[in-house]
Amino acid sequence: EAQVTQNPRYLITVTGKKLTVTCSQNMNHEYMSWYRQDPGLGLRQIYYSMNVEVTDKGDVPEGYKVSRKEKRNFPLILESPSPNQTSLYFCASSRQGYTEAFFGQGTRLTVV
Amino acid sequence: QKEVEQDPGPLSVPEGAIVSLNCTYSNSAFQYFMWYRQYSRKGPELLMYTYSSGNKEDGRFTAQVDKSSKYISLFIRDSQPSDSATYLCAMSKGNTPLVFGKGTRLSVIA
Repeated sequence: EAQVTQNPRYLITVTGKKLTVTCSQNMNHEYMSWYRQDPGLGLRQIYYSMNVEVTDKGDVPEGYKVSRKEKRNFPLILESPSPNQTSLYFCASSRQGYTEAFFGQGTRLTVV
Repeated sequence: QKEVEQDPGPLSVPEGAIVSLNCTYSNSAFQYFMWYRQYSRKGPELLMYTYSSGNKEDGRFTAQVDKSSKYISLFIRDSQPSDSATYLCAMSKGNTPLVFGKGTRLSVIA
């Protein structure tokens, strides 16, 4: 089954404790991206990648890092999480460009 | 002015009604237009995809793009309670990630 898998689905952590949200896709897609979804603000781009070792900042990259060492994986790293990073995070992948993106099930992160 | 504007609703309709959802945008460079459906506590799923202007139909769903007016629409015919969800419009220039509207929450009442 074609899918984008995120882990964990739910995470509660404390301010400053480094964490990684993993994202993996099994469709051999070139393009991957991370979004955060907040009430009243909708979905906003964090980082995106068009191929291995190629990443770009989206609209809200501050406080986040990513890496793309393999085509299938695109982890999101929060080096020192803060409460304003409490949000619902989605990873997505697509075959050609960033259109027709497939989304993961989301990771609900709470930073206290 | 936000790049993509979408009325958040909520919109409540009786079962069987025709639903009209729409978005306006300001960036004329957008070429790819999508509608996503998002159920509560789930990821967005692609519903309709259109390149440039025109209409596209898929079952009960019709997507329309009017680039001259910078306006896109999604019509749902014979709406069902299972259509109750948040509908997100999204658009892209192709080489950059999707820019989303804030979503319209739809409830179809049986």
